[in-house]
Amino acid sequence: KAGVTQTPRYLIKTRGQQVTLSCSPISGHRSVSWYQQTPGQGLQFLFEYFSETQRNKGNFPGRFSGRQFSNSRSEMNVSTLELGDSALYLCASSSENRDEQFFGPGTRLTVL
Amino acid sequence: GENVEQHPSTLSVQEGDSAVIKCTYSDSASNYFPWYKQELGKRPQLIIDIRSNVGEKKDQRIAVTLNKTAKHFSLHITETQPEDSAVYFCAAIKGAQKLVFGQGTRLTINP
Repeated sequence: KAGVTQTPRYLIKTRGQQVTLSCSPISGHRSVSWYQQTPGQGLQFLFEYFSETQRNKGNFPGRFSGRQFSNSRSEMNVSTLELGDSALYLCASSSENRDEQFFGPGTRLTVL
Repeated sequence: GENVEQHPSTLSVQEGDSAVIKCTYSDSASNYFPWYKQELGKRPQLIIDIRSNVGEKKDQRIAVTLNKTAKHFSLHITETQPEDSAVYFCAAIKGAQKLVFGQGTRLTINP
């Protein structure tokens, strides 16, 4: 089975721009969660999608949004980028019982 | 909501010695506790997990213990090797809630 994939792997943007990141889960997994990882804050939960619906949401501003498609692929969007948004964005997929989560390689976002 | 505290933030041990990382959680209803290992530049990977109906689980050199009364769980690595050097994250989850991670422990194995 192919693992979780994320595109792009690296991204450089400037303040004020917007960005869209993509995550393809393991085949058969319907849950996709997104995390922001920074050196000082560890792994911060952004949101989780299951069957095209947002099931859980973390404490991030409304500039961070996401969606999930019928094939379980998910995208997250960050609008009006700020310098503090520079981070590694990880997605993870899990099967219906939602226990073990499998992480993708991440997208390294740098905001200049 | 759930809160997970992880200690220590950094740990350095001699090769061959044991390493212990501890986590506490706040929600007594949490029922699944995974541990992830993240090597430099790589994705987090599950190394062991434990459910609330079990007190201890072992997989070769790695073991996890859970004390539900005290609401803490620990990762034990015996006979440490250089490849054990990484950042380790504990996490807790309750049912369909979000997975909450600890802050991570940077483990360094000194040869």
